[in-house]
Amino acid sequence: DAGVTQSPTHLIKTRGQQVTLRCSPKSGHDTVSWYQQALGQGPQFIFQYYEEEERQRGNFPDRFSGHQFPNYSSELNVNALLLGDSALYLCASTHRSGSGRFGEQFFGPGTRLTVL
Amino acid sequence: GDSVTQMEGPVTLSEEAFLTINCTYTATGYPSLFWYVQYPGEGLQLLLKATKADDKGSNKGFEATYRKETTSFHLEKGSVQVSDSAVYFCALHSGGYQKVTFGTGTKLQVIP
Repeated sequence: DAGVTQSPTHLIKTRGQQVTLRCSPKSGHDTVSWYQQALGQGPQFIFQYYEEEERQRGNFPDRFSGHQFPNYSSELNVNALLLGDSALYLCASTHRSGSGRFGEQFFGPGTRLTVL
Repeated sequence: GDSVTQMEGPVTLSEEAFLTINCTYTATGYPSLFWYVQYPGEGLQLLLKATKADDKGSNKGFEATYRKETTSFHLEKGSVQVSDSAVYFCALHSGGYQKVTFGTGTKLQVIP
C-alpha cells in the first residue's frame, strides 16, 4: 500500500501565476482534505472533498479551488499566487463508512510551494 | 470556533528525561483529540488519539488523557530518546466532516 501520495514534491512559482497540486488517496479511501502549513505553524484546513463535491471549507479565499475525480484522487488549484501562499500543502485521506462516520485520516508528505 | 493552544517551543531535553507538552482546547460539543508528529522532511503521522472524556491514548511510550473538566490533552513520555526529536501537534476534530484543527506545534529536540 503506497499510502497517500502527492505531486510534485517541490514547486517554485512567481507571483500572479497559477498552480495545480495533486493527491492520490490511500487505497480504500474516498475522502480527501487539503491543508496549508506555513513555516513554523500548524496545518490550516482548506477544504474537503467527498463524492466529487466540496463538503466543507476553511477560511481561504476563492483563489483556492479543488476537484475530486471519480477515482477519488484530487487536485488543489491556486490562482493569482501571492508571496503568502508559500507553504507546505498537505493532503489527507480517509474513508467514510455507510453510517457516515469517518475513519482515521492519513497524511501525505506534502508539496512544498515557494512563491517568488 | 474551535481552537487548540499548545506550549511554545522549542523544547530541549536530555535523553531519558521526562517530557510534557501542554495542550488545551476550545470546541463545541465533544471533540476527538489527537497528537500528531512530524519528523523532519516528512508529513504528519498520527501518534495517538482519544475520542471521549477520560480516555487515555498511548503509543510508542507516549500518553495523553482527555480531560474534559480542564479542556486539556497533555502529551507525556517517561523517557525520551534522540529519535523522538520532531515537531508535535495537538489537534481536535468536531462535527460531522473531517476538518481537523491544529495547534501551532511544539518542536522537541532530544540531545544525547
